Amino acid sequence: DAMVIQNPRYQVTQFGKPVTLSCSQTLNHNVMYWYQQKSSQAPKLLFHYYDKDFNNEADTPDNFQSRRPNTSFCFLDIRSPGLGDAAMYLCATSRGGGARGEYEQYFGPGTRLTVT
Amino acid sequence: GENVEQHPSTLSVQEGDSAVIKCTYSDSASNYFPWYKQELGKGPQLIIDIRSNVGEKKDQRIAVTLNKTAKHFSLHITETQPEDSAVYFCAARRAQKLVFGQGTRLTINP
Repeated sequence: DAMVIQNPRYQVTQFGKPVTLSCSQTLNHNVMYWYQQKSSQAPKLLFHYYDKDFNNEADTPDNFQSRRPNTSFCFLDIRSPGLGDAAMYLCATSRGGGARGEYEQYFGPGTRLTVT
Repeated sequence: GENVEQHPSTLSVQEGDSAVIKCTYSDSASNYFPWYKQELGKGPQLIIDIRSNVGEKKDQRIAVTLNKTAKHFSLHITETQPEDSAVYFCAARRAQKLVFGQGTRLTINP
């Protein structure tokens, strides 16, 4: 089945130690998103790629970076994790384009990040 | 920018009864309105969506209505079952981005 895959599902890192989360998709979608979700809150968009074009949200800290080496893979790098970065990180994909851009967005299962 | 308000934040209903969750949005240019169900420890799952050229859509026990004039849309779940217990998020989409409501924790009581 076509899907969005995130690895690992659980990640523990130390305060200040760089960490990378990965996402892959078999849907061949143009657009890939990274969200941060804290307990009992809605997902918060960090950035997205439309093909190779990177789009950062204005309030995303510089501590968060992303790479998309090809259509299928996207990575989230947290350069110096703080305790406040502990959260669920969600990857999502969507077809781009369309007359009004109204295509479905599908989420992966998420990676739960713990910072010690 | 777009702002989405979702109510109620928590909802408890008896098994077999109906549940309704309501959302309002601010940006009249938003043209796509999905609903997601999120179970504990999992990613959001798309359960139904509606586009701005449609007023109502139904899929078995789930329906969504959209009132573009009033800028609100609602999720209706009929004949609720224990497995419907989850957090539900509405969202509004403009261009490539979704803006989410704050979520509703739905509990189905047996």
